[in-house]
Amino acid sequence: GAVVSQHPSWVICKSGTSVKIECRSLDFQATTMFWYRQFPKQSLMLMATSNEGSKATYEQGVEKDKFLINHASLTLSTLTVTSAHPEDSSFYICSAREAGILYEQYFGPGTRLTVT
Amino acid sequence: SQKIEQNSEALNIQEGKTATLTCNYTNYSPAYLQWYRQDPGRGPVFLLLIRENEKEKRKERLKVTFDTTLKQSLFHITASQPADSATYLCALDANQAGTALIFGKGTTLSVSS
Repeated sequence: GAVVSQHPSWVICKSGTSVKIECRSLDFQATTMFWYRQFPKQSLMLMATSNEGSKATYEQGVEKDKFLINHASLTLSTLTVTSAHPEDSSFYICSAREAGILYEQYFGPGTRLTVT
Repeated sequence: SQKIEQNSEALNIQEGKTATLTCNYTNYSPAYLQWYRQDPGRGPVFLLLIRENEKEKRKERLKVTFDTTLKQSLFHITASQPADSATYLCALDANQAGTALIFGKGTTLSVSS
């Protein structure tokens, strides 16, 4: 149980285009989903927290107009990187927390974004 | 703000030995602390969670300790195997409400046969 999927697993896009990454909880309802970014040999950095049906809360330094997050249902959250630039190339990982479970988060397999 | 230090970037040990990884934090004591395993190009996989009122937690060959006085957690893998080779991440709740996590940079463990 507690499986989180991400799609796509990797994507290459051209500078200036937008990319959408999906995060799904497959066998549980996720009231809260988190989006992280990880650069090589660095720790996961929290970008934003999204609760189903409400606006995402972004961490300091993360541009909310550039990283659009939508959490429209209890099983799906999307992250759209708008007007992507090479410096946005990174490993994007989502996690989901099941309703009523305070501490545990289940992570997706990650999406490798390369902007050329 | 809370900072996490995993003091070894890499740890190399021989098969059968016990691996001990360290996680130190600098600010408030978290309500809980978690350890994850991450393989290259993959998302983290949850291993163990220990709460602030727990001193030790075990799961099969894994053991975690939590010392709020030292602001430190130790993660042990006994009878290590080459398949245990991975990066191990320590994570704490980012704020005292117990929601988002902040992660250490991880320690990459290599177990040689």
